[in-house]
Amino acid sequence: DIVMTQSPDSLAVSLGERATINCKSSQSVLYSSRNKNDLAWYQQKPGQPPKLLIYWASTRESGVPDRFSGSGSGTDFTLTISSLQTEDVAVYYCQQYYTTPPTFGQGTKVEIK
Amino acid sequence: QVQLVESGGGVVQPGRSLRLSCAASGVTISGNAMHWVRQAPGKGLEWVASISYDGSTKFYAHSVEGRFTISRDNSKNTLNLQMNSLRPEDTAVYYCARDRGAVGAFPPDAFNMWGQGTMVTVSS
Repeated sequence: DIVMTQSPDSLAVSLGERATINCKSSQSVLYSSRNKNDLAWYQQKPGQPPKLLIYWASTRESGVPDRFSGSGSGTDFTLTISSLQTEDVAVYYCQQYYTTPPTFGQGTKVEIK
Repeated sequence: QVQLVESGGGVVQPGRSLRLSCAASGVTISGNAMHWVRQAPGKGLEWVASISYDGSTKFYAHSVEGRFTISRDNSKNTLNLQMNSLRPEDTAVYYCARDRGAVGAFPPDAFNMWGQGTMVTVSS
């Protein structure tokens, strides 16, 4: 199974500042024939189900604010919130769907400093 | 309203069975792969099982293989999870989720629609 490791486990950022979450996979999730990374990011607010933010490592899901961006390729990925808002307080998960079983990172909790 | 609604959760003794259902409304899921994902209290997300759009292909997490069975009824726009021989470590909120992949595509893509979840508690 591919192991997904996120860092940090939690971070506190001031309103309007940048938040950066890292995700590392134990093997490459780059689908060579499509030149796409099978990597997604989800946001989960307290008491709610996860919500898809980003797929293919950098493509925003419809309706997701453009302050959320994803980058990276192969085994190293980053989710960036360019200007943190109060509604962004949540736990964020990366997930690989390159191979079965699809696996999630352990989550990163984002709070307001 | 476009949504997935899970049902069937509850409190059950170890070794017993439970059947979860996920009903789609406002959207047809017959062309999409579907998934079950669970989340133990205070913990992260754990994929449980996936099924192709036509039910012909199924995958299971190692932790549930041989005990859980995923199925679907496209005529009723529903997804199911039969859980047998339940263990305390199966205690979790169970979510159904729709695959964002192209109609008929499999293996899995990202999960772009989630239900609110149903709680399963396995305890004596």
